[in-house]
Amino acid sequence: DTEVTQTPKHLVMGMTNKKSLKCEQHMGHRAMYWYKQKAKKPPELMFVYSYEKLSINESVPSRFSPECPNSSLLNLHLHALQPEDSALYLCASSGDIGISYEQYFGPGTRLTVT
Amino acid sequence: AQSVSQHNHHVILSEAASLELGCNYSYGGTVNLFWYVQYPGQHLQLLLKYFSGDPLVKGIKGFEAEFIKSKFSFNLRKPSVQWSDTAEYFCAVGQGASNTGKLIFGQGTTLQVKP
Repeated sequence: DTEVTQTPKHLVMGMTNKKSLKCEQHMGHRAMYWYKQKAKKPPELMFVYSYEKLSINESVPSRFSPECPNSSLLNLHLHALQPEDSALYLCASSGDIGISYEQYFGPGTRLTVT
Repeated sequence: AQSVSQHNHHVILSEAASLELGCNYSYGGTVNLFWYVQYPGQHLQLLLKYFSGDPLVKGIKGFEAEFIKSKFSFNLRKPSVQWSDTAEYFCAVGQGASNTGKLIFGQGTTLQVKP
């Protein structure tokens, strides 16, 4: 089953709110990713977790805080976001990062910051 | 810095026409190459991938791609498109030998197939 699930599907939040995005995979993958995608643009990498440890942070503002509680779960905690942070947030997973593995993407969370 | 270039931003074809979408990358080392498709309202799906071996790779839904190392290219082809192929297509490149997991995506090509 090559499925990555994400909740919620849609999220509207104010600039002072705190919310979290959740991602789950049950493929036994050891690498998980957060991407941000604006309309009609390619996904932009935000974070990479490998074996539950953060391995890449693409200079993402601290108002985005990732967390990997276990190998199947990935969270993205949001606080004090700006309207320009409105986008589709994609989670992906892959078997590993050290060798050739493809990434499987979830459906995304459509975030609107008001 | 590594980059990926997709030359066709918006392609309009009639059904049964042949398709070729260009993708070039700038990284000189070993690479992993991917084509992803994003149908309207759906998530990114892997069309095909190249890691090593035969440079002509076949993917789902009749798509194929050819890796030409000397040209740093990985063009996507389909002999006869269908209306259902209307979607956004992304080429993506990952570093092979020292793979950090980071994928670099091209800007995408919007394919519109007219019935």
